[in-house]
Amino acid sequence: EAAVTQSPRNKVTVTGGNVTLSCRQTNSHNYMYWYRQDTGHGLRLIHYSYGAGNLQIGDVPDGYKATRTTQEDFFLLLELASPSQTSLYFCASTQNNYAEQFFGPGTRLTVL
Amino acid sequence: GEQVEQLPSILRVQEGSSASINCTYENSASNYFPWYKQEPGENPKLIIDIRSNMERKQTQGLIVLLDKKAKRFSLHITDTQPGDSAMYFCAASGGGSGNKLIFGTGTLLSVKP
Repeated sequence: EAAVTQSPRNKVTVTGGNVTLSCRQTNSHNYMYWYRQDTGHGLRLIHYSYGAGNLQIGDVPDGYKATRTTQEDFFLLLELASPSQTSLYFCASTQNNYAEQFFGPGTRLTVL
Repeated sequence: GEQVEQLPSILRVQEGSSASINCTYENSASNYFPWYKQEPGENPKLIIDIRSNMERKQTQGLIVLLDKKAKRFSLHITDTQPGDSAMYFCAASGGGSGNKLIFGTGTLLSVKP
């Protein structure tokens, strides 16, 4: 099964803080995604990428930046964290269209 | 933006009965419809999917139906067991490339023994 890891698993920061969430997949998947999960909203796509150096804007991108440095690594950056960004963040990867997206274990972020 | 509506948000059934979850989508170009199951404290995992060239797919007690004219698809779990208790998400592929998925808001299924 595809392996997707995320770090940190839990993070607490203050309003205005700078946070970087990391995701690594070791299956040479082309596509990687960042989602946030909130009760009543399901999974919402923040940013995604087709490959190293590529970045696509998702459905809820405001307040987030992302960078895909290698085939394996995809980072989500919150440069001025706000309490509204308190959420459970999932990274996912897939090889191509119509294929299963494999999710990482999630990062729970709290912004005080 | 594009949305996928999922109902009901909470579903309680008796063990052995069937459970049905319904989703509707907006984009007529959507052509891939996966279903994910998320157990408490875990990540979502794919349980079944259907492409737009099919109307019905069945695997291991799960049935997915797709009505492209109505832009509606549904998951039916037959002979539910307590282990089926979880959050279920439907999704539809967004327009364009990149395998972008638009997820529904989820259904919390509780199967009572």
